[in-house]
Amino acid sequence: GAVVSQHPSRVICKSGTSVKIECRSLDFQATTMFWYRQFPKQSLMLMATSNEGSKATYEQGVEKDKFLINHASLTLSTLTVTSAHPEDSSFYICSARPPGGSDTQYFGPGTRLTVL
Amino acid sequence: AQSVTQPDIHITVSEGASLELRCNYSYGATPYLFWYVQSPGQGLQLLLKYFSGDTLVQGIKGFEAEFKRSQSSFNLRKPSVHWSDAAEYFCAVGANAGNMLTFGGGTRLMVKP
Repeated sequence: GAVVSQHPSRVICKSGTSVKIECRSLDFQATTMFWYRQFPKQSLMLMATSNEGSKATYEQGVEKDKFLINHASLTLSTLTVTSAHPEDSSFYICSARPPGGSDTQYFGPGTRLTVL
Repeated sequence: AQSVTQPDIHITVSEGASLELRCNYSYGATPYLFWYVQSPGQGLQLLLKYFSGDTLVQGIKGFEAEFKRSQSSFNLRKPSVHWSDAAEYFCAVGANAGNMLTFGGGTRLMVKP
């Protein structure tokens, strides 16, 4: 089956620093990737849709200057949390959709971000 | 706008007992419906999905779900729960195949020995 990886799986950083999270589709090309955020004991909330070669589409209320998304290749999308603050601490999950009208998204294992 | 409601935040069942997790959705067109399971600190695993056709869909790990358009529901069932089924379960709806998903709040399943 299709595999999506995320790196790192866990990161702890100081307030004010920037953190980059990678999402890779390992055995398929993904024209579209999605970034979700999950607070403790809550559901997943879509942050943005990342399309290869174009700008990401952000959901309402998500700061595009704070959460920078780059989808430079068909197998890699990155989410950079800039000037992270403790309230950015969360579980970030990406998903990837194979091209050709695939009816399934494949989710990565998630990245736990803790901002001190 | 589409929305998903999972009325039960927590459910506890005994091992071997049957299980039903409720999911109600709101969407103006034919929905694409999914159930995912998430173990602690892990990502999501797809259990099953419904797009069209037979309203009773079979998934992995012995799970099934039934789409009932008249009730706007897509409840997840399992005849006999195993201790390893303890996890968080999310119902989700998509506008079309493979598009962005809207998730329900999740139901945490605990299994008593």
